[in-house]
Amino acid sequence: EIVMTQSPATMSVSPGERATLSCRASESVTSKLAWYQQKPGQAPRLLIYGASTRATGIPARFSGSGSGTEFTLTISSLQSEDFAVYYCQQYHKRPPFTFGPGTKVDI
Amino acid sequence: EVELVESGGGLVQPGGSLRLSCAASGFKFTSYEMTWVRQAPGKGLEWVSSIISTGDSMYYADSVKGRFTISRDNAKNSLYLQMNSLRAEDTAVYYCAREFGGGSWGFWGQGTLVTVSS
Repeated sequence: EIVMTQSPATMSVSPGERATLSCRASESVTSKLAWYQQKPGQAPRLLIYGASTRATGIPARFSGSGSGTEFTLTISSLQSEDFAVYYCQQYHKRPPFTFGPGTKVDI
Repeated sequence: EVELVESGGGLVQPGGSLRLSCAASGFKFTSYEMTWVRQAPGKGLEWVSSIISTGDSMYYADSVKGRFTISRDNAKNSLYLQMNSLRAEDTAVYYCAREFGGGSWGFWGQGTLVTVSS
């Protein structure tokens, strides 16, 4: 099973600032990596797939990079609606699909 | 517009059974792999099970293998999860999700809460 880790677990950011979230895989997942955003009481929302492709309707301030075992989600200028938990997920080797434990971005 | 609507959650005693349903609309259901993902209260996301478009192959997390069965009825545009021998640790919100981009999940239902407790 591919184990996903994320850092930091929590980050405190001010609106307008840049946020950089990290995700690491225990072995290569090539570019088969997705990022999701989840707000309290809501279903997850796909932000990025293929490590760097924004999903439909996702603002350009969200960008993904990386391949292999190291990945980054960058939010260039945090808006109030961006405060949420962010998960990475690999789909290179399945089953099982695996998620990281999440990074909480708060004010 | 893609829509996924889960139902069937509720309170069940340990050892009991429950069947979740997911009604899909707004896309060609027969073309997509479908998945169940769960989230225990205050915890992260956990993949549970997936089924390919034809229904011929299914995949399960080790934590549910032998107890849960995923199925689909392509004529009814519906996905199911039969959950048997339920345990307290199965307590979670269960989401139905549709494949997007080759293995990620671009569309999610609102979730249905399953509580296993005596």
